[in-house]
Amino acid sequence: GENVEQHPSTLSVQEGDSAVIKCTYSDSASNYFPWYKQELGKGSQLIIDIRSNVGEKKDQRIAVTLNKTAKHFSLHITETQPEDSAVYFCAAEKPRSTLGRLYFGRGTQLTVWP
Amino acid sequence: DTEVTQTPKHLVMGMTNKKSLKCEQHMGHRAMYWYKQKAKKPPELMFVYSYEKLSINESVPSRFSPECPNSSLLNLHLHALQPEDSALYLCASSPPLKRGDTDTQYFGPGTRLTVL
Repeated sequence: GENVEQHPSTLSVQEGDSAVIKCTYSDSASNYFPWYKQELGKGSQLIIDIRSNVGEKKDQRIAVTLNKTAKHFSLHITETQPEDSAVYFCAAEKPRSTLGRLYFGRGTQLTVWP
Repeated sequence: DTEVTQTPKHLVMGMTNKKSLKCEQHMGHRAMYWYKQKAKKPPELMFVYSYEKLSINESVPSRFSPECPNSSLLNLHLHALQPEDSALYLCASSPPLKRGDTDTQYFGPGTRLTVL
């Protein structure tokens, strides 16, 4: 299978500061790494993803970096805002030999204080 | 349009009731998924449908019965549930599957289920 570890489990930052969430994965065959944001009581929203043929991807205040050698990837949020407060899940997926299966990390509760 | 819709948003049912959850997408996706999510935990995969056929059943109890009547709809029929089945049930879909490829899964907002 695949084992995805996510740290930290909780993260509190001041508005305007940066937040970084880190994930590691165990299976070197994994090549797709999405990040999902889940607000209280809601489903998961894809916010950014990266594939193993790139090392970094950026979308406005959000960026993801991938180190295939070390098997870890990170989510970076700059200039945080209170509306960034949510639970963030990282995930890993292997190429579909049969069907896509996402392996999720355990989530990070991000709180941005105004 | 990357929207997956789910109904109802909330559902309260007794242990003897029969109810159904509904999921719909019009993105032309051919893979659809049911996940169960308990509080403060990541989503757990339950079922995967590929081209309207059940492809993965993660050893889910038979009181949960999935159905995929067409490529846009996915149902989850519930019968004789237990209080521990209370959770957020998420539906997701992804583009047509190709061997050796990975595709993004798009999640719906979920149905918050409470079993009394």
